[in-house]
Amino acid sequence: SQTIHQWPATLVQPVGSPLSLECTVEGTSNPNLYWYRQAAGRGLQLLFYSVGIGQISSEVPQNLSASRPQDRQFILSSKKLLLSDSGFYLCAWEGGATEAFFGQGTRLTVV
Amino acid sequence: AQKITQTQPGMFVQEKEAVTLDCTYDTSDPSYGLFWYKQPSSGEMIFLIYQGSYDQQNATEGRYSLNFQKARKSANLVISASQLGDSAMYFCAMSNFGNEKLTFGTGTRLTIIP
Repeated sequence: SQTIHQWPATLVQPVGSPLSLECTVEGTSNPNLYWYRQAAGRGLQLLFYSVGIGQISSEVPQNLSASRPQDRQFILSSKKLLLSDSGFYLCAWEGGATEAFFGQGTRLTVV
Repeated sequence: AQKITQTQPGMFVQEKEAVTLDCTYDTSDPSYGLFWYKQPSSGEMIFLIYQGSYDQQNATEGRYSLNFQKARKSANLVISASQLGDSAMYFCAMSNFGNEKLTFGTGTRLTIIP
């Protein structure tokens, strides 16, 4: 069965520091991968999605970037974090519009 | 472009009653999938139920059922015999077999009252 791993679960980082959140998927190949951000009590904001290795679509211009170095690995990065980058980040994978599952999420606090 | 609409920002329901969470969608693709997720206060997104656009019957998973009305483009989630543990945010989502990405509604916060 398919599983999705996202880490870390919680992260506190100072302003100006770099960020790297990793998401890996097991049990499937060539999934569509997504990064979402969720402000407290709000809906999901799509940040990036990828339909294949090296292919990244950015939904919102911002301080973040994403990369997909391997088929089942999706990384969210920032060179210098801003206070406004705080939030709950969710990775998701989707298979052919019939399956879509999420990682456990990362709660990022920028201080 | 596809779009998901959830018009109920919040709902309060008495324990043991059934509850219907509304979801309407818009897409020009004839092949698509509809999803419902539950997000408790812990933040994790829990998959509840899936309905394919060509499925003839409404999907059911335990106490969850999806009232799929294709002509109306609605995919309401029905929770029977609600429990206190059902209190959470609920999100409706869709994807299609073309190049459209997984799209979410704004969510409905469900509170079950003892």
